[in-house]
Amino acid sequence: GQQVMQIPQYQHVQEGEDFTTYCNSSTTLSNIQWYKQRPGGHPVFLIQLVKSGEVKKQKRLTFQFGEAKKNSSLHITATQTTDVGTYFCAGSHSGAGSYQLTFGKGTKLSVIP
Amino acid sequence: DTAVSQTPKYLVTQMGNDKSIKCEQNLGHDTMYWYKQDSKKFLKIMFSYNNKELIINETVPNRFSPKSPDKAHLNLHINSLELGDSAVYFCASSHWSSGNPFGDNEQFFGPGTRLTVL
Repeated sequence: GQQVMQIPQYQHVQEGEDFTTYCNSSTTLSNIQWYKQRPGGHPVFLIQLVKSGEVKKQKRLTFQFGEAKKNSSLHITATQTTDVGTYFCAGSHSGAGSYQLTFGKGTKLSVIP
Repeated sequence: DTAVSQTPKYLVTQMGNDKSIKCEQNLGHDTMYWYKQDSKKFLKIMFSYNNKELIINETVPNRFSPKSPDKAHLNLHINSLELGDSAVYFCASSHWSSGNPFGDNEQFFGPGTRLTVL
């Protein structure tokens, strides 16, 4: 089946440092979504990227979609303790429609105050 | 108002038992999903229903049987529970995009059901 690789699996940062997680697909994606799951919580939608080379920002979060629509990244500037959680990318492959997202394995972010 | 709700929140049971998890959404979505999240936090899709019809059935043992009585409900019944079934099960819902990548496709997840099989 389709796979979306996500790295790193874990990241520990000092509060105030930046953080980046990366996703890669071996095949072209129709779109990519990002979700955040707080400890003990459920995944919550952050954003969807559709266009080749798209960049979107939400306050300190910057999301990018690669030109070939095979990779994506989430960058957090100046992390805060509220950023703690696991960040998942989820790719929808061409022709698959919305009914199947393939989730990456997630990057668990720990922020040391 | 809770958008996607699941019951129960916790489920502890013995091996070999049969159990059900219920899911309801009040968002007016026509597509619902079941995901399994294991201890390593890997989120894997199990089933997807669109308008009460099964769309996706990943490689899941046939001990797992989803049932969708209407568009707002997708229940999961598990027969002969095994130790390896212990996980958190998430229900989710979304609009159907008909393959339109620009569509409003975000998935809304329920709070999860933590299943422990002893």
